[in-house]
Amino acid sequence: ILNVEQSPQSLHVQEGDSTNFTCSFPSSNFYALHWYRWETAKSPEALFVMTLNGDEKKKGRISATLNTKEGYSYLYIKGSQPEDSATYLCALESAGGTSYGKLTFGQGTILTVHP
Amino acid sequence: DGGITQSPKYLFRKEGQNVTLSCEQNLNHDAMYWYRQDPGQGLRLIYYSQIVNDFQKGDIAEGYSVSREKKESFPLTVTSAQKNPTAFYLCASTQEGHGYTFGSGTRLTVV
Repeated sequence: ILNVEQSPQSLHVQEGDSTNFTCSFPSSNFYALHWYRWETAKSPEALFVMTLNGDEKKKGRISATLNTKEGYSYLYIKGSQPEDSATYLCALESAGGTSYGKLTFGQGTILTVHP
Repeated sequence: DGGITQSPKYLFRKEGQNVTLSCEQNLNHDAMYWYRQDPGQGLRLIYYSQIVNDFQKGDIAEGYSVSREKKESFPLTVTSAQKNPTAFYLCASTQEGHGYTFGSGTRLTVV
């Protein structure tokens, strides 16, 4: 079983602050790293899928980087807004064989942005 | 609109009873998954199916059963053998190149 760790567990910031979270994982064979945003009472929403070392993806004020050699990914939010409040999930997608497509999730980072 | 429908949203079960959670998708995805969430923990994989009439155990399959008789449907049965069934259950589907789509979940409470 892959071990995916996210930190911090929760985070409170003020509107306008920039923030970042970490996803750590063993530097072993996997197909892709996923980031999801999960608002209460809704379905998780895909943010990014990254596969290559050094990948950087951006979507509006949110961006992510991937370092497969050292086993981490960062998610950045620039100028946080109250609507960014959600749980941010990181997941590794397994590679190959009968494990193909399986996601192993971290426990999530709960972000609360205060107006 | 294409998506995944999970029903019911909330479910109460008496101890010792089996209960079945529904998951239906109209995305024509080949693969479907069931995850469980407990407070303070990440989503954990219960069962998954990559093709009709075939499925594999995930990391916490004990006390659960599934079937995949149709491509669009992947029901999960929580049996009386599951020692701690109270949890939030999330269904997902995927197709290579299309990313994952999740349902909105079912919260099961044993009373």
